[in-house]
Amino acid sequence: RKEVEQDPGPFNVPEGATVAFNCTYSNSASQSFFWYRQDCRKEPKLLMSVYSSGNEDGRFTAQLNRASQYISLLIRDSKLSDSATYLCVVNRGYGNKLVFGAGTILRVKS
Amino acid sequence: EPEVTQTPSHQVTQMGQEVILRCVPISNHLYFYWYRQILGQKVEFLVSFYNNEISEKSEIFDDQFSVERPDGSNFTLKIRSTKLEDSAMYFCASSDGKGNQPQHFGDGTRLSIL
Repeated sequence: RKEVEQDPGPFNVPEGATVAFNCTYSNSASQSFFWYRQDCRKEPKLLMSVYSSGNEDGRFTAQLNRASQYISLLIRDSKLSDSATYLCVVNRGYGNKLVFGAGTILRVKS
Repeated sequence: EPEVTQTPSHQVTQMGQEVILRCVPISNHLYFYWYRQILGQKVEFLVSFYNNEISEKSEIFDDQFSVERPDGSNFTLKIRSTKLEDSAMYFCASSDGKGNQPQHFGDGTRLSIL
Protein backbone atom coordinates (compact mmCIF):
# COMPACT_ATOMS: atom_id res chain seq x y z
CA ARG A 1 0.00 0.00 0.00
CA LYS A 2 1.32 3.45 -0.89
CA GLU A 3 2.11 5.61 2.11
CA VAL A 4 0.24 8.61 0.65
CA GLU A 5 -2.51 8.01 -1.88
CA GLN A 6 -4.26 10.53 -4.08
CA ASP A 7 -6.66 10.33 -6.98
CA PRO A 8 -4.44 11.23 -9.98
CA GLY A 9 -7.26 12.94 -11.87
CA PRO A 10 -7.19 14.89 -14.06
CA PHE A 11 -9.98 17.06 -12.76
CA ASN A 12 -11.23 19.25 -15.61
CA VAL A 13 -13.38 22.06 -14.25
CA PRO A 14 -14.71 25.39 -15.57
CA GLU A 15 -13.61 28.69 -14.11
CA GLY A 16 -15.56 29.51 -10.98
CA ALA A 17 -16.17 25.89 -10.04
CA THR A 18 -15.54 24.38 -6.64
CA VAL A 19 -13.32 21.31 -6.62
CA ALA A 20 -12.24 18.97 -3.83
CA PHE A 21 -9.23 16.69 -3.60
CA ASN A 22 -8.79 13.85 -1.17
CA CYS A 23 -5.77 12.08 0.19
CA THR A 24 -5.19 9.18 2.58
CA TYR A 25 -2.03 8.28 4.45
CA SER A 26 -1.08 4.95 5.97
CA ASN A 27 1.41 5.83 8.72
CA SER A 28 -0.50 6.76 11.85
CA ALA A 29 2.69 8.20 13.37
CA SER A 30 2.73 10.99 10.77
CA GLN A 31 3.04 14.31 12.49
CA SER A 32 2.30 17.13 10.09
CA PHE A 33 0.53 17.56 6.82
CA PHE A 34 0.72 19.91 3.87
CA TRP A 35 -0.64 20.65 0.46
CA TYR A 36 1.92 21.73 -2.13
CA ARG A 37 1.29 22.65 -5.74
CA GLN A 38 3.62 21.82 -8.58
CA ASP A 39 3.55 23.39 -12.01
CA CYS A 40 4.93 21.42 -14.94
CA ARG A 41 8.67 20.74 -14.43
CA LYS A 42 8.86 23.20 -11.54
CA GLU A 43 9.55 22.82 -7.85
CA PRO A 44 6.84 21.99 -5.29
CA LYS A 45 5.52 25.17 -3.72
CA LEU A 46 3.84 25.21 -0.35
CA LEU A 47 0.14 25.93 -0.66
CA MET A 48 -0.83 25.47 2.97
CA SER A 49 -0.24 23.47 6.11
CA VAL A 50 -3.13 21.33 7.30
CA TYR A 51 -4.27 21.41 10.90
CA SER A 52 -6.62 19.12 12.80
CA SER A 53 -9.08 21.95 13.35
CA GLY A 54 -9.21 22.66 9.63
CA ASN A 55 -7.86 25.85 8.14
CA GLU A 56 -8.67 28.27 5.39
CA ASP A 57 -6.55 30.57 3.26
CA GLY A 58 -8.64 32.65 0.91
CA ARG A 59 -10.29 30.31 -1.60
CA PHE A 60 -8.52 27.26 -0.18
CA THR A 61 -9.73 25.14 2.73
CA ALA A 62 -7.87 22.15 4.13
CA GLN A 63 -9.16 19.51 6.50
CA LEU A 64 -7.45 16.74 8.42
CA ASN A 65 -9.10 13.70 9.99
CA ARG A 66 -6.47 11.86 12.02
CA ALA A 67 -8.81 9.04 12.99
CA SER A 68 -9.51 8.22 9.34
CA GLN A 69 -6.01 9.27 8.19
CA TYR A 70 -7.61 11.47 5.58
CA ILE A 71 -6.72 14.92 4.27
CA SER A 72 -8.73 17.11 1.94
CA LEU A 73 -8.35 20.31 -0.03
CA LEU A 74 -11.24 22.41 -1.28
CA ILE A 75 -10.74 25.10 -3.88
CA ARG A 76 -13.58 27.56 -4.38
CA ASP A 77 -14.08 29.88 -7.36
CA SER A 78 -11.39 28.17 -9.44
CA LYS A 79 -9.12 30.38 -11.54
CA LEU A 80 -7.21 29.48 -14.68
CA SER A 81 -4.03 30.00 -12.65
CA ASP A 82 -5.06 27.21 -10.27
CA SER A 83 -4.24 24.69 -13.01
CA ALA A 84 -1.40 22.59 -11.57
CA THR A 85 -0.67 19.31 -9.84
CA TYR A 86 -1.66 19.31 -6.18
CA LEU A 87 0.57 17.26 -3.92
CA CYS A 88 -0.57 15.81 -0.62
CA VAL A 89 2.49 15.68 1.64
CA VAL A 90 3.02 14.08 5.04
CA ASN A 91 5.91 14.65 7.46
CA ARG A 92 6.90 11.36 9.03
CA GLY A 93 8.53 13.07 12.00
CA TYR A 94 11.93 11.55 12.68
CA GLY A 95 14.45 13.12 10.30
CA ASN A 96 11.69 15.39 8.96
CA LYS A 97 11.23 13.19 5.92
CA LEU A 98 8.43 14.42 3.68
CA VAL A 99 6.44 11.71 1.91
CA PHE A 100 4.71 12.89 -1.23
CA GLY A 101 1.63 11.60 -2.92
CA ALA A 102 1.79 11.22 -6.68
CA GLY A 103 -0.37 14.31 -7.09
CA THR A 104 -3.78 15.24 -8.46
CA ILE A 105 -3.89 17.13 -11.74
CA LEU A 106 -6.27 20.07 -11.93
CA ARG A 107 -7.12 21.77 -15.21
CA VAL A 108 -9.29 24.86 -15.02
CA LYS A 109 -10.78 25.90 -18.34
CA SER A 110 -12.44 29.12 -19.45
CA GLU B 1 10.77 36.74 0.14
CA PRO B 2 13.84 34.61 0.96
CA GLU B 3 14.27 31.58 -1.24
CA VAL B 4 16.36 28.47 -1.72
CA THR B 5 18.67 28.75 -4.72
CA GLN B 6 20.20 25.88 -6.67
CA THR B 7 22.95 25.66 -9.25
CA PRO B 8 23.30 24.63 -11.97
CA SER B 9 19.78 24.59 -13.37
CA HIS B 10 20.77 21.82 -15.79
CA GLN B 11 23.72 19.44 -15.63
CA VAL B 12 24.60 16.99 -18.39
CA THR B 13 27.18 14.36 -17.47
CA GLN B 14 28.59 11.16 -18.86
CA MET B 15 27.76 7.95 -16.97
CA GLY B 16 30.41 7.15 -14.39
CA GLN B 17 31.38 10.76 -13.81
CA GLU B 18 31.05 12.61 -10.52
CA VAL B 19 28.59 15.47 -10.15
CA ILE B 20 28.11 18.05 -7.42
CA LEU B 21 24.80 19.82 -7.10
CA ARG B 22 24.81 23.02 -5.12
CA CYS B 23 22.21 24.69 -2.94
CA VAL B 24 22.04 27.82 -0.85
CA PRO B 25 19.29 27.31 1.75
CA ILE B 26 17.30 30.14 3.32
CA SER B 27 19.74 31.91 5.62
CA ASN B 28 18.17 31.34 9.05
CA HIS B 29 17.11 27.76 8.36
CA LEU B 30 18.77 24.92 10.22
CA TYR B 31 17.42 21.81 8.48
CA PHE B 32 18.38 20.90 4.94
CA TYR B 33 17.12 18.26 2.56
CA TRP B 34 17.56 16.74 -0.86
CA TYR B 35 14.74 15.20 -2.86
CA ARG B 36 14.59 13.91 -6.38
CA GLN B 37 11.85 13.49 -8.97
CA ILE B 38 12.28 11.19 -11.92
CA LEU B 39 10.30 12.44 -14.92
CA GLY B 40 6.65 11.48 -14.58
CA GLN B 41 7.05 10.13 -11.06
CA LYS B 42 6.50 11.47 -7.57
CA VAL B 43 8.93 13.45 -5.46
CA GLU B 44 11.14 11.14 -3.37
CA PHE B 45 13.11 11.92 -0.21
CA LEU B 46 16.85 11.36 -0.35
CA VAL B 47 18.39 12.78 2.82
CA SER B 48 17.92 15.22 5.68
CA PHE B 49 20.76 17.09 7.37
CA TYR B 50 20.95 18.94 10.66
CA ASN B 51 23.77 20.14 12.88
CA ASN B 52 26.37 19.01 10.38
CA GLU B 53 25.23 15.44 10.18
CA ILE B 54 22.72 13.29 8.35
CA SER B 55 19.45 12.89 10.28
CA GLU B 56 17.83 10.38 7.97
CA LYS B 57 18.47 8.92 4.55
CA SER B 58 16.43 6.81 2.19
CA GLU B 59 17.39 3.54 0.54
CA ILE B 60 18.09 5.52 -2.63
CA PHE B 61 20.88 7.38 -0.82
CA ASP B 62 23.51 4.68 -1.13
CA ASP B 63 27.31 4.89 -0.91
CA GLN B 64 27.46 6.77 -4.20
CA PHE B 65 25.76 9.76 -2.59
CA SER B 66 27.12 12.20 -0.05
CA VAL B 67 26.14 15.58 1.34
CA GLU B 68 28.19 18.35 2.79
CA ARG B 69 27.82 21.80 4.23
CA PRO B 70 31.29 23.13 3.36
CA ASP B 71 30.68 26.63 4.70
CA GLY B 72 27.97 28.64 6.38
CA SER B 73 25.82 29.03 3.30
CA ASN B 74 26.18 26.15 0.83
CA PHE B 75 24.73 22.65 0.99
CA THR B 76 25.92 20.18 -1.63
CA LEU B 77 24.89 16.78 -2.96
CA LYS B 78 27.61 14.70 -4.58
CA ILE B 79 27.01 11.65 -6.71
CA ARG B 80 30.33 9.87 -7.03
CA SER B 81 29.81 7.65 -10.08
CA THR B 82 26.62 8.52 -11.92
CA LYS B 83 24.33 5.94 -13.48
CA LEU B 84 21.70 6.38 -16.17
CA GLU B 85 18.96 5.95 -13.55
CA ASP B 86 20.28 8.99 -11.63
CA SER B 87 18.74 11.17 -14.33
CA ALA B 88 16.11 13.22 -12.51
CA MET B 89 15.23 16.62 -11.14
CA TYR B 90 17.00 17.18 -7.81
CA PHE B 91 15.40 19.56 -5.35
CA CYS B 92 17.05 21.07 -2.31
CA ALA B 93 14.82 22.22 0.54
CA SER B 94 15.26 23.86 3.90
CA SER B 95 13.17 24.52 6.99
CA ASP B 96 13.65 26.43 10.19
CA GLY B 97 12.44 23.69 12.51
CA LYS B 98 11.17 20.18 12.85
CA GLY B 99 7.74 18.72 12.50
CA ASN B 100 5.12 21.19 11.51
CA GLN B 101 7.50 23.69 9.95
CA PRO B 102 7.07 23.51 6.18
CA GLN B 103 9.99 22.87 3.89
CA HIS B 104 10.74 25.37 1.15
CA PHE B 105 12.10 24.08 -2.12
CA GLY B 106 14.61 25.44 -4.58
CA ASP B 107 13.77 25.41 -8.29
CA GLY B 108 15.82 22.30 -8.86
CA THR B 109 18.71 20.98 -10.91
CA ARG B 110 17.85 18.83 -13.89
CA LEU B 111 20.50 16.09 -14.06
CA SER B 112 20.84 14.26 -17.36
CA ILE B 113 23.17 11.25 -17.51
CA LEU B 114 24.30 10.17 -20.96
